[in-house]
Amino acid sequence: GAVVSQHPSWVICKSGTSVKIECRSLDFQATTMFWYRQFPKQSLMLMATSNEGSKATYEQGVEKDKFLINHASLTLSTLTVTSAHPEDSSFYICSARGVGGAYEQYFGPGTRLTVT
Amino acid sequence: QKEVEQDPGPLSVPEGAIVSLNCTYSNSAFQYFMWYRQYSRKGPELLMYTYSSGNKEDGRFTAQVDKSSKYISLFIRDSQPSDSATYLCAMRNSGTYKYIFGTGTRLKVLA
Repeated sequence: GAVVSQHPSWVICKSGTSVKIECRSLDFQATTMFWYRQFPKQSLMLMATSNEGSKATYEQGVEKDKFLINHASLTLSTLTVTSAHPEDSSFYICSARGVGGAYEQYFGPGTRLTVT
Repeated sequence: QKEVEQDPGPLSVPEGAIVSLNCTYSNSAFQYFMWYRQYSRKGPELLMYTYSSGNKEDGRFTAQVDKSSKYISLFIRDSQPSDSATYLCAMRNSGTYKYIFGTGTRLKVLA
């Protein structure tokens, strides 16, 4: 149980375009979802926390107009990287916590974004 | 000073060895302690979850929390090459589900 999926697993886009990443909780309802960014050989950096039906709370230094987060349902959150630039290339990971035993954070497999 | 300190490694051990991974922390309000395993280019996988002080065992893994010393450990018995990964500690207090992560320790188990 407590499975989280992400789509796509890898995306390449051109500079200036926008990219949407989906995060789904497959077997539980996620009351809260978290979005992280991870650079090679570094730990996870929390970008934002979102609760279903509410606006996301962004960490200090994270541009909310650049990283748009929508948590429209109890099983789906999306992260849209707008006007992507090469420095946005990174590994983006979501996690979800909710009810039914999944009280702690369960992570998705991650999405590798490459901006050319 | 970081809230959570973890030696980044890499830590190399022979197959079959007992591995000890550790984190120290400074915030005495932390109550929940987690260990995650992350393979290269994959999301972290929850290995162990402990509330407050004490030991917890699951198969080859044992998690220990010593709140008086602000020190947590993960032991891996009979280590296997498939255990080669980065191990992240994470912790939180009771008022939030936001985690504070360690930097992760890279482990290599040599066949």
